[in-house]
Amino acid sequence: SQKIEQNSEALNIQEGKTATLTCNYTNYSPAYLQWYRQDPGRGPVFLLLIRENEKEKRKERLKVTFDTTLKQSLFHITASQPADSATYLCALGAYNFNKFYFGSGTKLNVKP
Amino acid sequence: DTGVSQNPRHKITKRGQNVTFRCDPISEHNRLYWYRQTLGQGPEFLTYFQNEAQLEKSRLLSDRFSAERPKGSFSTLEIQRTEQGDSAMYLCASSSSSGGSYNEQFFGPGTRLTVL
Repeated sequence: SQKIEQNSEALNIQEGKTATLTCNYTNYSPAYLQWYRQDPGRGPVFLLLIRENEKEKRKERLKVTFDTTLKQSLFHITASQPADSATYLCALGAYNFNKFYFGSGTKLNVKP
Repeated sequence: DTGVSQNPRHKITKRGQNVTFRCDPISEHNRLYWYRQTLGQGPEFLTYFQNEAQLEKSRLLSDRFSAERPKGSFSTLEIQRTEQGDSAMYLCASSSSSGGSYNEQFFGPGTRLTVL
């Protein structure tokens, strides 16, 4: 069965630095990969989607890369702010959008 | 539109009781998903509807779980004979197969179930 790995340990960085989060997967070939942000007690919020034939996607301070050979996605937040502190989830999706597999998330702490 | 809504937000029940949760998706969204999330874990896929048709169902979903989406609008998730292991946050998400934000899942706030 598919396995998705995200760093279980929290990532602590200083405000203004770039945060890099990793999502590795095995036993699956997703059509696309999504990143979500989740705050305590709330549902996830969509951030970015990248397709299997795309290498990189950007949106404001966010950047996602997708390497289907390494089976890995990297999620970057540049010029991080304390408001970016949250848990970030990656999700793998199938071609027909009939199901998604989520990682367990990485908690990001941005310190002022 | 105010987004995806879920009711109730919290539910406490005794083991063996049946519970039903409701999800109201964004009105123009034809896709609807149910997930279960426990502390420290990501959402776990339960089932998927496209309009009123249930097209995918996780093998993890035992026969105590059933979901419906009559007329392709709101959806309900029922758990029969609840067990303590069913305690979790149940999340609903909807998305559209067209438009500028297609494939983006919009999540509701979730229903937190506690089985005593």
